Amino acid sequence: SQQGEEDPQALSIQEGENATMNCSYKTSINNLQWYRQNSGRGLVHLILIRSNEREKHSGRLRVTLDTSKKSSSLLITASRAADTASYFCATDQSGGSNYKLTFGKGTLLTVNP
Amino acid sequence: DVKVTQSSRYLVKRTGEKVFLECVQDMDHENMFWYRQDPGLGLRLIYFSYDVKMKEKGDIPEGYSVSREKKERFSLILESASTNQTSMYLCASSLLQVNTEAFFGQGTRLTVV
Repeated sequence: SQQGEEDPQALSIQEGENATMNCSYKTSINNLQWYRQNSGRGLVHLILIRSNEREKHSGRLRVTLDTSKKSSSLLITASRAADTASYFCATDQSGGSNYKLTFGKGTLLTVNP
Repeated sequence: DVKVTQSSRYLVKRTGEKVFLECVQDMDHENMFWYRQDPGLGLRLIYFSYDVKMKEKGDIPEGYSVSREKKERFSLILESASTNQTSMYLCASSLLQVNTEAFFGQGTRLTVV
């Protein structure tokens, strides 16, 4: 079952603009993670935000988490053509040996030069 | 540099064949996972393992089995491949702890004809 749902499904912007992607989820989580996937490749971890954190930064990435609304956003500032990729949110509901990292369907970001 | 390696990037098999997808990680991670990725459906968890010889069903285990005889290796087995198993298969690994990221292999694009 899908836990995280990204919005929008696709986003096209010009180089230099900011890109914002949103993720909504349904149940309580330990953390929320964002991953990037270049076309036809594996996923690469970008950033993890814990359930008791509200905002986190890493380079040009800014992630927010609102547990009351069960939502998160990923902001990429000053986008570059190389940022073109699919972006996935993943919610971690793990407990003990019961692993549960559930991915959404992704947002396809296209950054035009 | 951490690494998850999948044995093949592309694979073409015939309907009814037994198919083995191999995954090896060099990070001494306890957890290993198999996902499949299909357009419009995102990543769906097939099986995961948190220890040698241990396996747990994910969201879509039907038609698949797994084997984990050594900590570093996790195999996905399609007992009798069918055309609806044509997909991108992604292996990942992580530590057995909360608030940790997953590391992915490069993916195997399997076509069953």
